[in-house]
Amino acid sequence: NAGVTQTPKFQVLKTGQSMTLQCAQDMNHEYMSWYRQDPGMGLRLIHYSVGAGITDQGEVPNGYNVSRSTTEDFPLRLLSAAPSQTSVYFCASSYSGNRAGEKLFFGSGTQLSVL
Amino acid sequence: DQQVKQNSPSLSVQEGRISILNCDYTNSMFDYFLWYKKYPAEGPTFLISISSIKDKNEDGRFTVFLNKSAKHLSLHIVPSQPGDSAVYFCAARGSNDYKLSFGAGTTVTVRA
Repeated sequence: NAGVTQTPKFQVLKTGQSMTLQCAQDMNHEYMSWYRQDPGMGLRLIHYSVGAGITDQGEVPNGYNVSRSTTEDFPLRLLSAAPSQTSVYFCASSYSGNRAGEKLFFGSGTQLSVL
Repeated sequence: DQQVKQNSPSLSVQEGRISILNCDYTNSMFDYFLWYKKYPAEGPTFLISISSIKDKNEDGRFTVFLNKSAKHLSLHIVPSQPGDSAVYFCAARGSNDYKLSFGAGTTVTVRA
C-alpha cells in the first residue's frame, strides 16, 4: 500500500517557468489537499478537493491551480513560478475531509526552489 | 493571521523526562484538534487527536489536554525518548469544516 505519492521530490525552477507537482493516492480517499510549509509559518492550505470534479481554495491559493479529474490524482500547477513560491509542498488525503475522528495522510513532500 | 499558534519554536529535554508542547488557538469554532509529528525529509504523520467534548485523550506515552475556555491545548510525552526528536505540529478545524489549520511547529530535541 503506497499511500500518498508525490513527484518530484526536488525541483529547481527559474522565475516565470511553469510546472506541475504530481500527487496520487491509492486509498480511495475522497478528500485531497495541498499544503506548503515555510519556516515560522507552519503548514498552510493552498487548495483542496472533496471529490472528483470539485475543488476549492484554501488559505494561500494565489499563483496555483488545481484540478481533480479522478479520485486518485490531484496535481498542483504553478503557471508562472515566483521566488515567493520557494517552499516544501505536501499533498494530503483523507476519507471525507470533515468527519470527526478523521486524520490526514501526507506524502513525503516536494522541495521546490524558484531562482 | 494564524489561528493556531505554537509560541515555542523549540524544546530540549533529557531522555526519560517529560516533554510538554503547548498550542493556542483563536477561532472559537474549532472543535477538533490534532497533533502531527514530522521527521526531516518526510511528510507529517498523525500522532493523537482530541475533540471538544473531551478534555483529555491518552495514547501510550502521549497525552493531549484541552482547555476550551482558555483556547489552549498541550501535548505531554512521558517518558521522552530519542526517537521523539522531531517537529510537532498542532492543528485544528471546526465541525464539517474541510480546512485544517496548522501551527508553526515546535522542534523537540531529546538529549541522551
